[in-house]
Amino acid sequence: KTQVEQSPQSLVVRQGENCVLQCNYSVTPDNHLRWFKQDTGKGLVSLTVLVHENDKTSNGRYSATLDKDAKHSTLHITATLLDDTATYICVVGNRGSALGRLHFGAGTQLIVIP
Amino acid sequence: DMKVTQMPRYLIKRMGENVLLECGQDMSHETMYWYRQDPGLGLQLIYISYDVDSNSEGDIPKGYRVSRKKREHFSLILDSAKTNQTSVYFCASSLYSSGNTLYFGEGSRLIVV
Repeated sequence: KTQVEQSPQSLVVRQGENCVLQCNYSVTPDNHLRWFKQDTGKGLVSLTVLVHENDKTSNGRYSATLDKDAKHSTLHITATLLDDTATYICVVGNRGSALGRLHFGAGTQLIVIP
Repeated sequence: DMKVTQMPRYLIKRMGENVLLECGQDMSHETMYWYRQDPGLGLQLIYISYDVDSNSEGDIPKGYRVSRKKREHFSLILDSAKTNQTSVYFCASSLYSSGNTLYFGEGSRLIVV
């Protein structure tokens, strides 16, 4: 059973709108959580990392939250641009701070239309 | 220029043929990884390398082997490709195995017919 579930699977928004992507996980222990952006046909690029209970991060128009009690994270994208069209992947690390054992979600495909 | 480079980007092989996927990084990172990505699934770890000749199996190592003779290069080898190894393969690197972000290559799309 997958340990990282992302929703929605896909999402279409109009340019300028805001959107929220969800990540629920059952990984234990949950050391840290990262959000990656994957453009079509490209590799993953890290957007942000959350480590502590109730962490909040901000990276330009991207902001993220982490609730370790609920094992839940959200990625907010504000004022979407056409270039935000991509797959957004949630990744949970559970072996202390080691990166070798990461649990990847299947991703949310975001499409931004004019 | 911080980069992970994968070659080839696209490859079609017949079942039973050997496959060599190569990965290079210019950041002197100790740790390198090979993942595969299949539709509807998260990335799955095939092998991790902590440094030259220090390799460990990931979650799905069966049917694969790796080689790391120089810190900047990490190869993935399929000795007899199977159709279920059709996938997109990603190489990644990180400075150490802990506490740092992963840098990904752009992927190698392998089709086994």
